Parts: sequence; C-alpha cells; structure tokens
Amino acid sequence: NAGVTQTPKFQVLKTGQSMTLQCAQDMNHEYMSWYRQDPGMGLRLIHYSVGAGITDQGEVPNGYNVSRSTTEDFPLRLLSAAPSQTSVYFCASSYVAGYTDTQYFGPGTRLTVL
Amino acid sequence: KNEVEQSPQNLTAQEGEFITINCSYSVGISALHWLQQHPGGGIVSLFMLSSGKKKHGRLIATINIQEKHSSLHITASHPRDSAVYICAVRPTGTASKLTFGTGTRLQVTL
Repeated sequence: NAGVTQTPKFQVLKTGQSMTLQCAQDMNHEYMSWYRQDPGMGLRLIHYSVGAGITDQGEVPNGYNVSRSTTEDFPLRLLSAAPSQTSVYFCASSYVAGYTDTQYFGPGTRLTVL
Repeated sequence: KNEVEQSPQNLTAQEGEFITINCSYSVGISALHWLQQHPGGGIVSLFMLSSGKKKHGRLIATINIQEKHSSLHITASHPRDSAVYICAVRPTGTASKLTFGTGTRLQVTL
C-alpha cells in the first residue's frame, strides 16, 4: 500500500492564482481530512469528509473548497490564493471503529503565496 | 485558552535520559493521539489511547481520563528521538475530527 499520497510537495503561487492540492489514499478509509500547519500553532482542520459525497467544514475553511467523488481522492482547491494561505498542508485519512482510530498522514505540501 | 495544552514547549536532553512530555485537555474525549514529526518530515502516529497505558519499544503513553491528562515517556533517549511530539484529541461525538496541541520540540544530544 502507498498509504496517503499528496502532490505536489512544493508549490509557489502568486496572489490571486488558483490551484488544487491532490490527496489520495489506498486503504479504503472512510474519513479524510485536510489540515494546515503554521509556525507556533497546532495543526488546524480545514475541511473533512466522512465518506464519498459527504464533506464538511473544519476550523479554518475560508478560501478553500473540497469534494469527495470517490473514497480514494480528496482534493483541496484554493480559489484565489492569498499570502495568508502560505503554510504546510497535510492530508490525513483514518478508520474509526468505536474507540479504535488510527490516523495516517500524507507527506505534506509546502505552499508559498507571494 | 487552547483546548489542548502541551508542556514543555521545548526540551533538550542528553542521550540516555528519561523524558516526559505532558498533555492536558479541557474537553470530553473519546480518544487521544500522540504523533511524531521529524524536521522537514511527515507526521507519524505513535499511539492512540482511550484509557490506561500503552508501550511500544522505548515509548510509553499513559492517560488519566478523570484528570484530562496524558503523558508520553521516552526511556533511554537517543538522538534519533529528536522530533516534535504532538498531542491530539478526538472530542466526544466528533467522529474523526482532531484538535491538536502546538507540539513539544525535543532535541536529544550525545
């Protein structure tokens, strides 16, 4: 299994540009999430999905869109990039059953918005 | 005040020392995670706890649900343990949504 994959690893955008961060998992996990990690702050949830066709907002959703057309893929779209979106983005998937919950993180995408 | 607080924020230890990292949280939870992030690297899950204690190699994690507190211990620390250790909780009723602490940066020197 490849686990959770993310592309690209690095990206530089100009203010106002749009782009999509890709995330895929091959573990048939129901739950997928997008987080951003900023210096001095904990990981913050952007959007999450509890299954194909179902998405919901997290703590910091503004400026981002997601969709979940398949179990495997969970892309994150930046609609009009702003310097405040400079961050490291992590995608994660998990399987939750009662008190069992194992989190798998992708390698991250480092995004710089100029 | 953050829902998840970790201490210390930074920790330097000499090889072989016993290390403790603490995590306190203020909400009811169904699970607590300890994660490890090496510099420039991805995030790896170390433990998921809902009660009691777990051990994996030199790592031990404990949780006290009544006191809303968890500790991560590293015995016989080694320079390869140098990383950021992150505590995250799954609040009750939130499926797989996690709330994260800001992490403890550990450096183990020779």
